[in-house]
Amino acid sequence: GAVVSQHPSWVICKSGTSVKIECRSLDFQATTMFWYRQFPKQSLMLMATSNEGSKATYEQGVEKDKFLINHASLTLSTLTVTSAHPEDSSFYICSTGGPSTDTQYFGPGTRLTVL
Amino acid sequence: AQRVTQPEKLLSVFKGAPVELKCNYSYSGSPELFWYVQYSRQRLQLLLRHISRESIKGFTADLNKGETSFHLKKPFAQEEDSAMYYCAWETSGSRLTFGEGTQLTVNP
Repeated sequence: GAVVSQHPSWVICKSGTSVKIECRSLDFQATTMFWYRQFPKQSLMLMATSNEGSKATYEQGVEKDKFLINHASLTLSTLTVTSAHPEDSSFYICSTGGPSTDTQYFGPGTRLTVL
Repeated sequence: AQRVTQPEKLLSVFKGAPVELKCNYSYSGSPELFWYVQYSRQRLQLLLRHISRESIKGFTADLNKGETSFHLKKPFAQEEDSAMYYCAWETSGSRLTFGEGTQLTVNP
């Protein structure tokens, strides 16, 4: 399978600041990565599909100007939460397809807390 | 809307007892369905997919189109099966829609 890492594992920031979260595919070149958000005691909700070399595709209701996604290489996608507010506090998880196209491999997640 | 539903948030069984985690879907076609599992302090990982009809860690899941269900079953639960289980449905572009999840606790 594929190994996916995220950095940082947790971050605390002040309201109004921007936070960047990295998702790396360590042993597999991923043309597509996915970003999810998980609020406490809730399920994962897909936010966007990150496509290498092109624009991300956002799910309905997700503000693309607030959640900036950059997928500049086959091993790295970044999610930037701009002008973060307390309601953006959540667990952000990325995933990537691996050698087997119908399986997604998940990162460990990043806990964002906005004060 | 097309989605998957897991009606039980919590499920508790004793070791050695059978366990069934329910998943229902609403979709008119042939869905691509998966079960993912998240053990404590670990990342989400694939347990099984309906298309392969495999058994992983003693778990099986059969797609029942008549009942629009994809329940996860294991005849004899083990303590190490305690985890959060998510039913998921794959849409176009390999996008996954997850159910609400069921927290399984297997008591000794």
